[in-house]
Parts: sequence; structure tokens; C-alpha cells
Amino acid sequence: GENVEQHPSTLSVQEGDSAVIKCTYSDSASNYFPWYKQELGKGPQLIIDIRSNVGEKKDQRIAVTLNKTAKHFSLHITETQPEDSAVYFCAASGYSSASKIIFGSGTRLSIRP
Amino acid sequence: NAGVMQNPRHLVRRRGQEARLRCSPMKGHSHVYWYRQLPEEGLKFMVYLQKENIIDESGMPKERFSAEFPKEGPSILRIQQVVRGDSAAYFCASSPTDTSGGVNTGELFFGEGSRLTVL
Repeated sequence: GENVEQHPSTLSVQEGDSAVIKCTYSDSASNYFPWYKQELGKGPQLIIDIRSNVGEKKDQRIAVTLNKTAKHFSLHITETQPEDSAVYFCAASGYSSASKIIFGSGTRLSIRP
Repeated sequence: NAGVMQNPRHLVRRRGQEARLRCSPMKGHSHVYWYRQLPEEGLKFMVYLQKENIIDESGMPKERFSAEFPKEGPSILRIQQVVRGDSAAYFCASSPTDTSGGVNTGELFFGEGSRLTVL
């Protein structure tokens, strides 16, 4: 089955700097790669996703890149702000009627003022 | 359009009791997932259901745990004879069907979770 590895487990960056979180996946059939943000005491929220037919997607300060050959994808947050502090999860799944979504172990991002 | 609703938000049970967690998906969503999250850990897949069908229960413990998503009403995750190791946050998520292809889009919308504490 699918296995998703996520690094680093914790990340501290200065406000205004960029943050990068990386994930690898094992199942070459996976073709949907979402990223979720979880704030303390809350449920995860989808912040951006990418499907296998594109290599990069951007939404304001957030971007995701995908390398299907190497089976890895990354989240990039630019101009970080205090409200970006949270736990971020990557995930992978196949696009079908019977696909479960497998999550990475999470990255705790802290933004230093 | 209300989001995914989970209840109760907090549940305390003694060892050996039963826990029932309920999840109402977003309106129009026919796919429901349950995940378990231990403190400071990631989200572990438990089960994926559609209305009246269990699609994938490969993440469910073989004993004491069951899930259903009936034709009417919320999805239920049931844990019988709870033990201390069952203490965790249980998250439900729903996803819509792609209107063009008729498949699950995979975009998960999570509830706020149910936090189970077993004494």
C-alpha cells in the first residue's frame, strides 16, 4: 500500500523568510497530492493540492511542486507570517472511486517574530 | 452550507464501556472517512465508507471497532469495550463526487474531531 514520508518533523523560520516541507510517496499509481494545515485543537484544512498532470501550482504565498519520476512533492510558503504557525500534513492518493488518502507524519512549523 | 459536523466533541469513557462517535458529512457529499490522531502524531486512516457500503476498512483494528454510514443519518464509529490505548482524537472527513466523471474527488473536508478519553 501507499506510504508517505514527510520531512522535517519540526521547522522554525524567521518571519518573512520562506519555509519548505518535503514529502515522498511509494505508490507510483498515486496521482492526487493535497496539503493540509492543522491548528491547535482543530481539524485539518485543505490549503492547496496538485494532481499528477501538472508539475507546479501556486496560490498567493503557497506553492506546491511535484516530481512524479522521483515520487516526491514539496510545499513552499513564502513571506511567512505568524498565522502560518501550525502543523502541516502532506497526503497522497489515487483518483478513483475506491481510494483512501494516506497522510505524512506532519511538520510543526513555527514562525519566529 | 454547513461543514462536517462531529459529535460529541469530547467524550470520556471508563475502560470496558462503549464509545459512539457521530459524523454528518457536508451536504451533497457521499464519501466519508474516519482517521485517528494520537497526540503529537499524524492522521492514521481507519475506514472509508459510502452510503450503506464500507469501501476500505484496512485501517480498522480487527476487534472492537466498527463503522457504518446508513442511508439516512450520520456515519457512526463505534468502539466497544474501550481501553486506555483508544484515547485519541477521531476525525471524520467527507468528500464530494466529481460531477463530470462520477468519481470521488479526494478533496477531504474535515470536522473538528471527537476527543475520546478513556479512564
